[in-house]
Amino acid sequence: GESVGLHLPTLSVQEGDNSIINCAYSNSASDYFIWYKQESGKGPQFIIDIRSNMDKRQGQRVTVLLNKTVKHLSLQIAATQPGDSAVYFCAENSGGSNYKLTFGKGTLLTVNP
Amino acid sequence: GAVVSQHPSRVICKSGTSVKIECRSLDFQATTMFWYRQFPKKSLMLMATSNEGSKATYEQGVEKDKFLINHASLTLSTLTVTSAHPEDSSFYICSASPSGHGDTQYFGPGTRLTVL
Repeated sequence: GESVGLHLPTLSVQEGDNSIINCAYSNSASDYFIWYKQESGKGPQFIIDIRSNMDKRQGQRVTVLLNKTVKHLSLQIAATQPGDSAVYFCAENSGGSNYKLTFGKGTLLTVNP
Repeated sequence: GAVVSQHPSRVICKSGTSVKIECRSLDFQATTMFWYRQFPKKSLMLMATSNEGSKATYEQGVEKDKFLINHASLTLSTLTVTSAHPEDSSFYICSASPSGHGDTQYFGPGTRLTVL
């Protein structure tokens, strides 16, 4: 299950199951959102992105859903594999000329074989 | 394509010394590079935005005299941690945006700094 608190939120799933990672973003003016995967000791790796004029976008085994009404973003991973174990961050870009990203707190996904 | 490197990947230094971290875009030109700091089990916090040929823009609470940023070319930005102290120990990550594609950031592998 998923737990949220002072520590990094965690999600533990069985190999082959689908995973859903959630993110609440802060700025209603944000118009571009990205999901990143970060393995231990490495930099973030781009997974998928979505712009505010869309509510769903699919990639290979991953789907991102955007609900602008409640400022919520989710990442769905189909048929989760042990190699998917990592910390997942959502990031929002509030637009403007500086293109700064604001990262969410992250979720640790653990895939059990 | 779109590879960003950082050097060194890991550095240990004594308190009071300065450490320089390099961020390079290997196969594209980057007008803008970003420097982040990450503590264990925490998210990435933006420290500063580095624009080629101009002064960096620092986030609130980040000391510009402590964290010197130089972006002298379209493929290289450097972060120098001056007079490092143990509380500066962290994981420093850079990202680079291809010129003309400002909303895309490619991240480097990070640099682990340990100050003794």
